[in-house]
Amino acid sequence: GAVVSQHPSRVICKSGTSVKIECRSLDFQATTMFWYRQFPKKSLMLMATSNEGSKATYEQGVEKDKFLINHASLTLSTLTVTSAHPEDSSFYICSARDWRTSHYEQYFGPGTRLTVT
Amino acid sequence: EDKVVQSPLSLVVHEGDTVTLNCSYEVTNFRSLLWYKQEKKAPTFLFMLTSSGIEKKSGRLSSILDKKELFSILNITATQTGDSAVYLCAVEIYGGATNKLIFGTGTLLAVQP
Repeated sequence: GAVVSQHPSRVICKSGTSVKIECRSLDFQATTMFWYRQFPKKSLMLMATSNEGSKATYEQGVEKDKFLINHASLTLSTLTVTSAHPEDSSFYICSARDWRTSHYEQYFGPGTRLTVT
Repeated sequence: EDKVVQSPLSLVVHEGDTVTLNCSYEVTNFRSLLWYKQEKKAPTFLFMLTSSGIEKKSGRLSSILDKKELFSILNITATQTGDSAVYLCAVEIYGGATNKLIFGTGTLLAVQP
């Protein structure tokens, strides 16, 4: 089946620094990737949708200058949390979809736990 | 505003019990409803439903959608401790250039031996 990886799985950083999270589709080409954020005991909140080669579409309330998304290739999308603050601590999950073969299923990565101290 | 609501928020049962998880939704541009199981990490796909009244079944799990009343249920029969997880309901909507998923709050299921 389709596999999506994320790196790192866990990161701790100091307030004010930037952190980059990678999302890769390992055995398929992801024309669209999604970034979600999940707080403890809460559901997944869609942050943004990125299509390969174009700018990401951010959901209402998500600061695009703070959460930079780059989907430069069909197998890689990155989320950079800039000038991180403790309130950015969360579980970030990406998912990927190949529109050419799967019109409905999103394949989720294992998530990245970000802790900002 | 698009909304997906799940109930109950949490549930504790004993092995062998049958459980029913609920998902109701209010969205524009409905395309499909999906169920996921989330243990420690990423959600894993269970079912996708697009038509009313057609039951999807996989082993001890089954699900059905009612597009008139805007809800779905997920049934788990003969529960096992391995069924303990958060069950997420998501509605896929047409979102302009790309369809997207709106997730419910999830139901935390704990199955005790």
